[in-house]
Amino acid sequence: AQTVTQSQPEMSVQEAETVTLSCTYDTSESNYYLFWYKQPPSRQMILVIRQEAYKQQNATENRFSVNFQKAAKSFSLKISDSQLGDTAMYFCAFSNTNAGKSTFGDGTTLTVKP
Amino acid sequence: DAMVIQNPRYQVTQFGKPVTLSCSQTLNHNVMYWYQQKSSQAPKLLFHYYDKDFNNEADTPDNFQSRRPNTSFCFLDIRSPGLGDAAMYLCATSGGASATYEQYFGPGTRLTVT
Repeated sequence: AQTVTQSQPEMSVQEAETVTLSCTYDTSESNYYLFWYKQPPSRQMILVIRQEAYKQQNATENRFSVNFQKAAKSFSLKISDSQLGDTAMYFCAFSNTNAGKSTFGDGTTLTVKP
Repeated sequence: DAMVIQNPRYQVTQFGKPVTLSCSQTLNHNVMYWYQQKSSQAPKLLFHYYDKDFNNEADTPDNFQSRRPNTSFCFLDIRSPGLGDAAMYLCATSGGASATYEQYFGPGTRLTVT
């Protein structure tokens, strides 16, 4: 069974600064997908970024980028130029290629301070 | 816009009184999921449908049932709600022609049990 660990329950960052959220996972599979989801307070969960395990290049979406270390089973999220709207709970998730069922980490609550 | 819709957004039910939550999607995704999420916790998968195939999680109580009459709709039935079932219930979908396994979430239904 896969496990996903987010070791930082809470983090804070000053507006315009950079912050990195950590995620590690455990799997015996070679092909899988990793995701970061964002859930703002009282709002809908949305996908932030996706990484395919077979791709060596780290995914990037505007201010969001990942550091994917397959051998170390590490998948951190870097948020550059943090904005107040980035305040949310962030979930790291793993999905194998069977039925698309995902395993979620426990989440990291990020607060961006003005 | 293609989306996942949940109704109602807020539901109050009495202890032991059956309740049904609904989810619809316009994404034409073949997989639909129901999650239970309690405050500041990760979403907990209750079950999912891969097309018409129902997949129950081993630790989902028998009190929770689901129906998927067609591709677009999925229902969560709680036969005898207890106080511990008060939570946010999230519906999500994944799949489609270019399946990349990320999940698209609805806004959730917040269930209160009195």
